[in-house]
Parts: sequence; C-alpha cells; structure tokens
Amino acid sequence: SQKIEQNSEALNIQEGKTATLTCNYTNYSPAYLQWYRQDPGRGPVFLLLIRENEKEKRKERLKVTFDTTLKQSLFHITASQPADSATYLCALELDTGRRALTFGSGTRLQVQP
Amino acid sequence: EAGVTQFPSHSVIEKGQTVTLRCDPISGHDNLYWYRRVMGKEIKFLLHFVKESKQDESGMPNNRFLAERTGGTYSTLKVQPAELEDSGVYFCASSQDYQAETQYFGPGTRLLVL
Repeated sequence: SQKIEQNSEALNIQEGKTATLTCNYTNYSPAYLQWYRQDPGRGPVFLLLIRENEKEKRKERLKVTFDTTLKQSLFHITASQPADSATYLCALELDTGRRALTFGSGTRLQVQP
Repeated sequence: EAGVTQFPSHSVIEKGQTVTLRCDPISGHDNLYWYRRVMGKEIKFLLHFVKESKQDESGMPNNRFLAERTGGTYSTLKVQPAELEDSGVYFCASSQDYQAETQYFGPGTRLLVL
C-alpha cells in the first residue's frame, strides 16, 4: 500500500542552525511533492512544491530536494528562527490528476532561542 | 483577499446527534476539498468538489457523511448520526482550477462526539 513516512519524533535545534526534515514514500512515483506548515489550532499552509523533474527548489530560507530514485524529499530551513517552530507536513498526490492529497504524519520542529 | 473560512470552529455533540460543518472557499475557487484528522493520525482526504459536482468522494468513511455544494460556492458536511470515532478536526481546502496543485486550507472545525 502507499505510504508516506516522516520522522514522528520532534526535531529540536538551536536558533541559527539548519533544520533538515525528511519525507520518504513507497510504492509510488508522484509527479510532484508539496510541503506544508501547520501551527497548533490552524490549518496547513502551503510552503513549496517540487516536481519530479526538479532536483531542488528554494524560497527564501527554505530549500526542498526531491530524489525520485531514493523516493525521498528533504526539507531544509537555513538560519532557523524560533518563529519557524511548527509541524511540517509533506503531501503527495498519489494518483496523478486526482488532486486528493495524501499527507505524512508531520514532523514537529522546535527552534530554541 | 479572504482565505478559506470554516464554521463552527468547535463543536461538541453527543453520540447520535447531527452536526453540520460549513466551508466557504476562497472566492472564485472552483475546487473544494474536505479532509479530516482524527486523533493521532495523519490528515486524510474525504472528498473533492469541482464547482457543484462531486469529483471524488472515495475518502468518505460511510453513508453517515453527506457533503453538498449547492450553487458551487460554499459547502456543508453533515454527519448524521454522529459516532464517537467521528471526533477529530475537519479541514476544508480550495484551489482555483483543476490544474492548480496548491490547496489553501481553512482553520478547521474541531468536532468532539461524546
């Protein structure tokens, strides 16, 4: 069956360091992968989308990589700030064109000042 | 531009009662989605409207759930009768057209069935 795995343990890092979060998936070849941020009591907020033919995508302090051979995406936040503390979700459209997103369980990031 | 709004923000009902959740998508967005997160689990897809038509309702758990989108604007999700396992957070999302991959989520409705 289709599966998306994110590290369920919280990631604690010091302010200014780079946070790296992992998303692994199995049994599928998605056309693209998305990363969302979710704060407590709020809905997910879209951050970045990377397509299968893109190796890397950047937006300000955020960087996403997509390795379709390893079936893995890495999400980096450079120069992290306490305001970056949140849960980060990766999401895939498991059936191309269907538009229903399948989410990982998310990784909680805590940036210590 | 207003984002996706959901009402109510919280609902506490007893088992067997009926609850109706409402979602107002971003104006002009043809696509509307419902998702649900139950305790300790990941967010799961429920269904997808394109305008007023149900494009995909493969994620609806059973026939106690009824979604409508009359006129292609706001949508309602009714649970009747509610069961304990229906407790969770119900999210609505919208996207502009069928080619749009990014979905914009509302704040969610927290449903607790006692």
